[in-house]
This record gives sequence, structure tokens and C-alpha cells, in this order.
Amino acid sequence: DIQMTQSPPSLSASVGDRVTITCRATQDIRNSLAWYQQKPGKAPRLLLFAASRLDDGVPSRFSGSGSGTDYTLTISSLQPEDFALYFCHQYSVVPYTFGQGTRLEIK
Amino acid sequence: QVQLVQSGAEVKKPGASVKIPCRASGYSFTNYALHWVRQAPGQRLEWVGWVSGANGNTRYSQKFQDRVTFTRDTSATTVYMELSSLRSEDTAIYYCARRALAGYFDYWGQGTLVTVSS
Repeated sequence: DIQMTQSPPSLSASVGDRVTITCRATQDIRNSLAWYQQKPGKAPRLLLFAASRLDDGVPSRFSGSGSGTDYTLTISSLQPEDFALYFCHQYSVVPYTFGQGTRLEIK
Repeated sequence: QVQLVQSGAEVKKPGASVKIPCRASGYSFTNYALHWVRQAPGQRLEWVGWVSGANGNTRYSQKFQDRVTFTRDTSATTVYMELSSLRSEDTAIYYCARRALAGYFDYWGQGTLVTVSS
């Protein structure tokens, strides 16, 4: 199975900050990586797929990059509604696997 | 709009089974596969498997394949996940999610909490 290592596990930041979350796979996942946002008690929301493609309706302050085994999610200017749990997901190989999540908190 | 609606929380005793529905609407049910993913307390998301909306074909994670069964009812546009021989470690929120053509999950159900406790 492909293991996904996501870091950091938690992050404290302020409104307006730029933050970056990383995910590393144990093998090349060929850009088959998605990022999701989850708020308490809610279903996950797709933010990006194919490593860097923004889903419809997702603000442009979210961006993704990477290739091979290493990927990043960047939020360019944090807004109050962005404080949530974020996790990555590789869909290159079954079984699909997920990062352990990054909890983004208000400083 | 696309919606995946799951049932409410369940409490089960060890050794019992649970069957969770996921009702799909807002899209052509037979054009997409639906996956099941679970999240145990404090743990990362864990993929359970998928069921084809087109023909009912299934694929299960090796971890669950002896205990899980997916079925579908096309007339009700609903898929079901049944997990048997429940143990405390199965306590988790179970999500259904629609697989987009490229493989990622574009829509998720709201989740069903299953608590296994004696």
C-alpha cells in the first residue's frame, strides 16, 4: 500500500497568513492527488485534484503543486472560514490512501 | 445538485452487523462508482472499497473483504454497505463518496457514525 505522510499535523496561523501543507507518498503517484477540507460534523469538501487543479467554486487563494512523491497545498491569504482540517488523498493505486490530516487553527 | 444522503447513527453490539444506506441524487446513478471510506476516532481516513453504479461490481480493501458487502438498488439510486462481525475497532464514521471519472472523490455523504459497544 502507498503510505501518505502529511505535515504538519497541526498549524496555528492568523488571518492573512500564507500557509503550506505537504504530503509525501512512498512511491510515485503521478499527480493523482486530491486535497480536501473538512469542518467539524461536515462531509469533506474537494478543493483540488490532479495535484493542482482547483475544483469548481474553490477560491483561488488555494493552490496545489508537486509531482512524483511530493505535493503541497498552499493557502495564500488565510480567511476566517479556512480554519479547518485538511487532508490529502492518493487515487493512483488501490487501496486508496489518505494523509493523517492537518488541523489549521487560529493563532 | 449532487447529493449523497446517509442514515443516522447506529449503536451495535460486538458480533452484530450494520447495514448503512447511501442515497444518491442529482446525477445519473449508473454513470459513477460509489466508494466507502471510514474514519475511526483520532485516525486517518481508511478506504473500505467501492461498488459500481453501472453493474454492481465491487472491490473491497483486503482488510475488510471477509466482513463487508456492498449492494445497490438502482431503482432507489441507493448503495448499501454491510459490515459484519463488528468489533470495537469498527467504531467510526462511515462515509460514502462518489468517484469522479479521474478517480478522486468529488462528492461525499454526511457520514454515519457507527458505535460498537457492549
